[in-house]
Amino acid sequence: GQQLNQSPQSMFIQEGEDVSMNCTSSSIFNTWLWYKQEPGEGPVLLIALYKAGELTSNGRLTAQFGITRKDSFLNISASIPSDVGIYFCAGQLRGSQGNLIFGKGTKLSVKP
Amino acid sequence: NAGVTQTPKFQVLKTGQSMTLQCAQDMNHEYMSWYRQDPGMGLRLIHYSVGAGITDQGEVPNGYNVSRSTTEDFPLRLLSAAPSQTSVYFCASSYSVADTQYFGPGTRLTVL
Repeated sequence: GQQLNQSPQSMFIQEGEDVSMNCTSSSIFNTWLWYKQEPGEGPVLLIALYKAGELTSNGRLTAQFGITRKDSFLNISASIPSDVGIYFCAGQLRGSQGNLIFGKGTKLSVKP
Repeated sequence: NAGVTQTPKFQVLKTGQSMTLQCAQDMNHEYMSWYRQDPGMGLRLIHYSVGAGITDQGEVPNGYNVSRSTTEDFPLRLLSAAPSQTSVYFCASSYSVADTQYFGPGTRLTVL
């Protein structure tokens, strides 16, 4: 199946540090989404991106839809302990029925 | 609104047993889907439905059946459970396939 390459796989950072993670693919996407999953819960949508080049913020989170439509990044500024969780990128392929394809996730750990 | 609800939260089966994972949503969403989440694999689409009476296969449909007799409910059936089906199962729904998907809390299934 189609692949979304998400990196890094895991991050261990100090509280207050900025975080950056990204997803890339060889395929073109119509939509990029970023989800956060906490232990024992389902993924929760953080940011949705619909246009190439779009830069969107949600509080301390900023995400961008790559110009080539093949990549996206998520930045978290001034991390806090409650940022801990697994972050997933997901996308809807251009020309597909629209079902989401998920990356394998970035596990974020924040040390107080 | 209760959002997306899933039952049971935990289940242990023996190989060969059958069971149904329940999913319901009260948001009048047309699109519903089932994913499985395995360590290091992200979420993979099992089956989806774009409306009552319509279902289709996702990336990993083998061993699972679905039906959509009402807009609200989208049960996932395992006819003969196998250890390879040990996983966490998430149901999600949205107004349409292009809209934001909301996830349920998940069902953790172990097949012995």
